[in-house]
Amino acid sequence: GESVGLHLPTLSVQEGDNSIINCAYSNSASDYFIWYKQESGKGPQFIIDIRSNMDKRQGQRVTVLLNKTVKHLSLQIAATQPGDSAVYFCAENGNDYKLSFGAGTTVTVRA
Amino acid sequence: EPEVTQTPSHQVTQMGQEVILRCVPISNHLYFYWYRQILGQKVEFLVSFYNNEISEKSEIFDDQFSVERPDGSNFTLKIRSTKLEDSAMYFCASSVGQGASSPLHFGNGTRLTVT
Repeated sequence: GESVGLHLPTLSVQEGDNSIINCAYSNSASDYFIWYKQESGKGPQFIIDIRSNMDKRQGQRVTVLLNKTVKHLSLQIAATQPGDSAVYFCAENGNDYKLSFGAGTTVTVRA
Repeated sequence: EPEVTQTPSHQVTQMGQEVILRCVPISNHLYFYWYRQILGQKVEFLVSFYNNEISEKSEIFDDQFSVERPDGSNFTLKIRSTKLEDSAMYFCASSVGQGASSPLHFGNGTRLTVT
C-alpha cells in the first residue's frame, strides 16, 4: 500500500547549522511532493514543492531533493534559525489527487 | 497574504451531539478539503470537494460526516453524532487546482474535544 514516512521523528540542530530532514515514500506513481511546516497550535504551512520530473528545487534558505530511484525526498534548511523549530511533514500527491502525509519530524533549534 | 480561516478554534461537545466546523477558504480557490490530526499522529485526509460535490473521501469519512458549501464563501464539516474517537484537530484546506503545482493551503484548525 501507499505510505509516506520520515526517517527520524526528532532532529536537534545548532542555530546557524544546516538541517536535513528525510522522507521515504513507496508510491512510485506519485508525481508531486510537498514539504509542510507545522508550528504549535497552527495548521500545516506550505514550504516548498517539487514535481516528479525534477530532482532538485530551491527556495529561500530551503532546498528539496527528490531521488525517484530510491523513493527518497529530503528538505535542507540552510543556516537554521530558532523560528525554524517546528514539525516538518512531507506529503505526496499520487494519482488520486489527495495528499498523503508522513508522520513528521520535530526539529528543535539549539541556541 | 490570503489565508484559510476556521472557526471555532476550539469546540467541546458531548458524545452523541452534532457539531459543525466552519471554514472560509481562500477566495479564488476551487478545491476544498478537510483533514484531521489526532494528537501526536499524522495528518489524515477526510474529504475533497469541488464544484459543489464530494470528489473523493476516505474510509474515515463515514455516514456520520457531511460537508456543505452553503454559500459562496463558507465550507462546513458536520459530524452528526460525535464519538470520543472524533476528538482531533480538524484542518480545512483549499487549492486553486488539483494535483501538481497546486499546493493545499491550510487553516489553523479547530480542536474538537468530545467528552
